[in-house]
Amino acid sequence: DIVMTQSPDSLAVSLGERATINCKSSQSVLYSSNNKNYLAWYQQKPGQPPKLLIYWASTRESGVPDRFSGSGSGTDFTLTISSLQAEDVAVYYCQEYYNAPFTFGPGTKVDIK
Amino acid sequence: QVQLVQSGAEVKKPGASVKVSCKASGYTFTGYFIHWVRQAPGQGLEWMGRINPNSDGTNYAQKFQDRVTMTRDTSISTGYMELIRLTSDDTAVYYCARASAVVPNLLDYWGQGTLVTVSS
Repeated sequence: DIVMTQSPDSLAVSLGERATINCKSSQSVLYSSNNKNYLAWYQQKPGQPPKLLIYWASTRESGVPDRFSGSGSGTDFTLTISSLQAEDVAVYYCQEYYNAPFTFGPGTKVDIK
Repeated sequence: QVQLVQSGAEVKKPGASVKVSCKASGYTFTGYFIHWVRQAPGQGLEWMGRINPNSDGTNYAQKFQDRVTMTRDTSISTGYMELIRLTSDDTAVYYCARASAVVPNLLDYWGQGTLVTVSS
């Protein structure tokens, strides 16, 4: 099974400032046949189901604000919120969808400083 | 619009079973896999397995292999997840999620979640 790790566990950022979350997979999620990274990011607010933000490591889901961006390849990935808004307070999870059991990272909690 | 509506909260005793339903609407039910993910209180997300509503084929996480069964009823566009031999460790919110038809195993729509509480 692929093991996903995230850092930091939590962070507090001032409104309008940048938030950066890291995700690492225990093996590459880059599929050589299509050169795509099978890595997604989800946002989960309290009492709500997760919401898809980013897939293919860097493709924003329709309707997701452009302050959210994803980068990285192979085993190392980053989610960046370029200018934190109050509504971005949430837990963020990465997930590999390369190989079952499609594991999630442990999550990173983002708060306002 | 795509919607996944799950059944209501359940309270079960240790050793019992629970069956959670997930009714889909707004799309062709048989065209998209349904995945099940759970989240224990204050914890992260755990993938349990998936079902292909078209073929009835299933894949389960090793951890749940001997306790979980995923089924579907295409006549009512509903998927089910049954978990047996419950323990307190199974107390969690259980989510169904639809997998994208374009991006394999990418979970693009989620149900609202069903809280299952296991307590004596």
